[in-house]
Amino acid sequence: AQSVTQPDIHITVSEGASLELRCNYSYGATPYLFWYVQSPGQGLQLLLKYFSGDTLVQGIKGFEAEFKRSQSSFNLRKPSVHWSDAAEYFCAVGARAGGTSYGKLTFGQGTILTVHP
Amino acid sequence: EAQVTQNPRYLITVTGKKLTVTCSQNMNHEYMSWYRQDPGLGLRQIYYSMNVEVTDKGDVPEGYKVSRKEKRNFPLILESPSPNQTSLYFCASSHRVTGSSYNEQFFGPGTRLTVL
Repeated sequence: AQSVTQPDIHITVSEGASLELRCNYSYGATPYLFWYVQSPGQGLQLLLKYFSGDTLVQGIKGFEAEFKRSQSSFNLRKPSVHWSDAAEYFCAVGARAGGTSYGKLTFGQGTILTVHP
Repeated sequence: EAQVTQNPRYLITVTGKKLTVTCSQNMNHEYMSWYRQDPGLGLRQIYYSMNVEVTDKGDVPEGYKVSRKEKRNFPLILESPSPNQTSLYFCASSHRVTGSSYNEQFFGPGTRLTVL
């Protein structure tokens, strides 16, 4: 069964500082990996995704993530955080077609990001 | 505008009173799914549907029902709601996956349900 762990429940950074949110996954094959962001009272917005190929993927809002198969990780990074980045971030793994978990997204517990001015 | 809509957005009800949360998408997506979001647990899949009249259980289906009579609609039914179903619910949809591809799931705005 697939699973996702986000070790940090809450992270606080200062505006302008760099950011790294951790994500570890468990999946029996090469996974599909996603990062979503949820602003307060809002739905989920896709930041970026990894399907195959280049292990460093670029997303919206200046975010990037790196897939490291050896560490089963897909950490999200941003070089300089803006106050508007304050939100909750979810890492997710998606099952590939053909299995019984077709189309299923499994989410991590989420990391709440607070940005200090 | 391509979107997934949910109604109602907010609902307060009492234990045992049947309710339905509607979900509709205008993107002609085959795949639809329901998730619930609880603090510290992330989002967990309740039910999903791969096409009309094809539905299956997710990770937490107990206490819920779904139906898929039309491609665009995927209502979530709580026959006898209980306080432990107080949660934030999201509907999502995507095109059907073929081969080794994967299609992005689009999420609705969420429905906040409180069961007293």
